[in-house]
Amino acid sequence: DTGVSQDPRHKITKRGQNVTFRCDPISEHNRLYWYRQTLGQGPEFLTYFQNEAQLEKSRLLSDRFSAERPKGSFSTLEIQRTEQGDSAMYLCASSLEGATYEQYFGPGTRLTVT
Amino acid sequence: GNSVTQMEGPVTLSEEAFLTINCTYTATGYPSLFWYVQYPGEGLQLLLKATKADDKGSNKGFEATYRKETTSFHLEKGSVQVSDSAVYFCALSDLDSGAGSYQLTFGKGTKLSVIP
Repeated sequence: DTGVSQDPRHKITKRGQNVTFRCDPISEHNRLYWYRQTLGQGPEFLTYFQNEAQLEKSRLLSDRFSAERPKGSFSTLEIQRTEQGDSAMYLCASSLEGATYEQYFGPGTRLTVT
Repeated sequence: GNSVTQMEGPVTLSEEAFLTINCTYTATGYPSLFWYVQYPGEGLQLLLKATKADDKGSNKGFEATYRKETTSFHLEKGSVQVSDSAVYFCALSDLDSGAGSYQLTFGKGTKLSVIP
């Protein structure tokens, strides 16, 4: 078990460009979550997948954001037409089913929009 | 909706001092409660959890007790070390009424610095 991995770890992009991040969850985990963490704040929920189905999206997830989890394995988060307000740490977490099953977090992708 | 409030930081303590970080929550259902820790330059790690009232979670000398009557989950450690310097997040997981998500709701985090 190598844990949750995310790629890239850091991304610097110019305003207006598109970016895509990847998350590889722990292999047997069927639930996958994306969160966003800005400086000095706790992570905020963005979206959640159960297997390949995206079942919940936060109001924070504007129409510039899209996430996929083909075949219920890795997931991608794409941000189109990036804005400076998108600068944040994007965290991925995975878990087994159930509220008592803790979520395991990846190291995050730090996005800086210039 | 769900929310978590934890004490503002930063907190600076001398080594071997007693630590308390207060956390209170509001939840629509019956949540599970967690403390996560983020060491400098690293990702979030689960420190401890409790899933029902009066449960005590413990790990690495840290403890927290799920108090339903006061909606609290305060983190304590009897003797902190320099290596405990990190940001600590209180969080809850509650069944979302919609899609069955157990998304976490986090507090803002409390930065702890322990000096020798």
